[in-house]
Amino acid sequence: GAVVSQHPSWVICKSGTSVKIECRSLDFQATTMFWYRQFPKQSLMLMATSNEGSKATYEQGVEKDKFLINHASLTLSTLTVTSAHPEDSSFYICSARDNGRVGQPQHFGDGTRLSIL
Amino acid sequence: QKEVEQNSGPLSVPEGAIASLNCTYSDRGSQSFFWYRQYSGKSPELIMSIYSNGDKEDGRFTAQLNKASQYVSLLIRDSQPSDSATYLCAVRKTNAGKSTFGDGTTLTVKP
Repeated sequence: GAVVSQHPSWVICKSGTSVKIECRSLDFQATTMFWYRQFPKQSLMLMATSNEGSKATYEQGVEKDKFLINHASLTLSTLTVTSAHPEDSSFYICSARDNGRVGQPQHFGDGTRLSIL
Repeated sequence: QKEVEQNSGPLSVPEGAIASLNCTYSDRGSQSFFWYRQYSGKSPELIMSIYSNGDKEDGRFTAQLNKASQYVSLLIRDSQPSDSATYLCAVRKTNAGKSTFGDGTTLTVKP
């Protein structure tokens, strides 16, 4: 089945650091990838839709300058949390779908647990 | 009204029972429907996809879709403690669009 690889799994860093998270589709091409954030015991929250070769589409209330998204190829999207602060600590999950096949579901990466000290 | 609604639970069933998870959606034009399972601290994993009215079975799981009623359900037969997780319903309108997720139903299967 479709595999989405996300790296790193865990990040612990100091306040003010910028953190980059990578999301790769391993066996399919994804013109669109999705970035979610999830706080403990809360629902998935869609942050943005990453579009290959163009600007990402951000959900209402998500700061574009805070969460930089780059989708430079059909298999790689990156999320950079700039100048991270403790309130940015969360579980970040990427998701991708094989756009080349009709009706395909989204598959999720294993997530990145970000802790800002 | 949320686009995708699920009972938050928690839903508790004894081991071996049938667990029934329900989901309603608001957009009548929705075409694709998915069920995901999310264990605590992990990311969601796909369990079932369903696209046409009726039942679709895969092992102990059965997805049921009724587009007229805008309702999709997931039945888990012979529930096991390892089925204890949060189950997310997702709905998508078009092939190019994003899936909209419900808030999830937490299931506990008691030994």
